Amino acid sequence: DTGVSQDPRHKITKRGQNVTFRCDPISEHNRLYWYRQTLGQGPEFLTYFQNEAQLEKSRLLSDRFSAERPKGSFSTLEIQRTEQGDSAMYLCASSPRDRDTDTQYFGPGTRLTVL
Amino acid sequence: AQTVTQSQPEMSVQEAETVTLSCTYDTSESDYYLFWYKQPPSRQMILVIRQEAYKQQNATENRFSVNFQKAAKSFSLKISDSQLGDAAMYFCAYKGGSTLGRLYFGRGTQLTVWP
Repeated sequence: DTGVSQDPRHKITKRGQNVTFRCDPISEHNRLYWYRQTLGQGPEFLTYFQNEAQLEKSRLLSDRFSAERPKGSFSTLEIQRTEQGDSAMYLCASSPRDRDTDTQYFGPGTRLTVL
Repeated sequence: AQTVTQSQPEMSVQEAETVTLSCTYDTSESDYYLFWYKQPPSRQMILVIRQEAYKQQNATENRFSVNFQKAAKSFSLKISDSQLGDAAMYFCAYKGGSTLGRLYFGRGTQLTVWP
């Protein structure tokens, strides 16, 4: 396995701009998750995909946030009209099909700074 | 909602000594999974150890072991023969067995290892 990869690793943007992050899961992992982590806190769940279907969304995922996984492989997370409060580390994780080994493996994250 | 509490924001240990990190959780489910993740300064989250609630035997991975007390809803991590590379933020996490989605994380414990 090459591991979960995320791009970009860092993003600095001005308030009001749109940003998009990409996550490539471990190959053949059919489940993909997005989390947000702010300084001094544990990660907070945003959303979850099984294949291309988005099965769960957190209340944290306001209407400015949208996530997609069009072909059941990579996923994108878009934030529209960014606000300073969106500054955080955005983590992606994936897990395999087998429920008994449904352990989530995390990527390195994308650090977003909104000026 | 499930909550995970790590009451020790910071811990320190001398190299080669043993340290225990505490975690408690609140749930009404009988089937669930518990995890300890390590997040070194590079920020990629790494799985340390996992425990299935239906298993009475405590999980062990080399120098890492857990003390799982289901009735007390306690899940502590013991690190034996601590090494400098163990220095990191440690997160306790919970996942319900009835869902295949989100992890609930505690706020983390920053572990320092002194030479």
